[in-house]
Amino acid sequence: AQTVTQSQPEMSVQEAETVTLSCTYDTSESNYYLFWYKQPPSRQMILVIRQEAYKQQNATENRFSVNFQKAAKSFSLKISDSQLGDTAMYFCAFMTPGGDDKIIFGKGTRLHILP
Amino acid sequence: KAGVTQTPRYLIKTRGQQVTLSCSPISGHRSVSWYQQTPGQGLQFLFEYFSETQRNKGNFPGRFSGRQFSNSRSEMNVSTLELGDSALYLCASSLAPDRGNEKLFFGSGTQLSVL
Repeated sequence: AQTVTQSQPEMSVQEAETVTLSCTYDTSESNYYLFWYKQPPSRQMILVIRQEAYKQQNATENRFSVNFQKAAKSFSLKISDSQLGDTAMYFCAFMTPGGDDKIIFGKGTRLHILP
Repeated sequence: KAGVTQTPRYLIKTRGQQVTLSCSPISGHRSVSWYQQTPGQGLQFLFEYFSETQRNKGNFPGRFSGRQFSNSRSEMNVSTLELGDSALYLCASSLAPDRGNEKLFFGSGTQLSVL
């Protein structure tokens, strides 16, 4: 079974610091997509970043970047220069295209950015 | 452009009742997917509709059903409500069925409480 594990239920960092959120996954597939979603208090999920497994280069989106280690099945999210607006629940997710196309989410990491 | 609209925002029902939740996608989006979010189970995929056809379904009992109309609006129905159905129900829309390469746009969800 494909699973996504986020080992940090909750984290707190000071504003302007860099924080890394961990995610590991388990699959026997070689082609898949990995995602980080942000869910602020408004409850609306927002895609932060997406990584295609066949691309070795780590995806980046402004202050957000990932460390994708395919052999280790690890997909961590780094937030640089953290801002108060980054306070949210962060979900790591996984999907195998052409398979059952069902996205699988981790349990989430609640991130608090402290002023 | 209006975002994904979910109604109602909050709902309280009692065990045994049924409930219908509504999701209006972004204009032009033809794919709608539904998710259940609970503190214990996290986020789980319920089903996906495209062009009025269910193309994918998660591991939920038959009490959970949905449909999509010709204008792409979608409804999900839960019959014979159980306490464990208390959850945040999120829907997302995209231009085409999500195989990992589509950007999902989420609504703010419907918080269902079953008493």
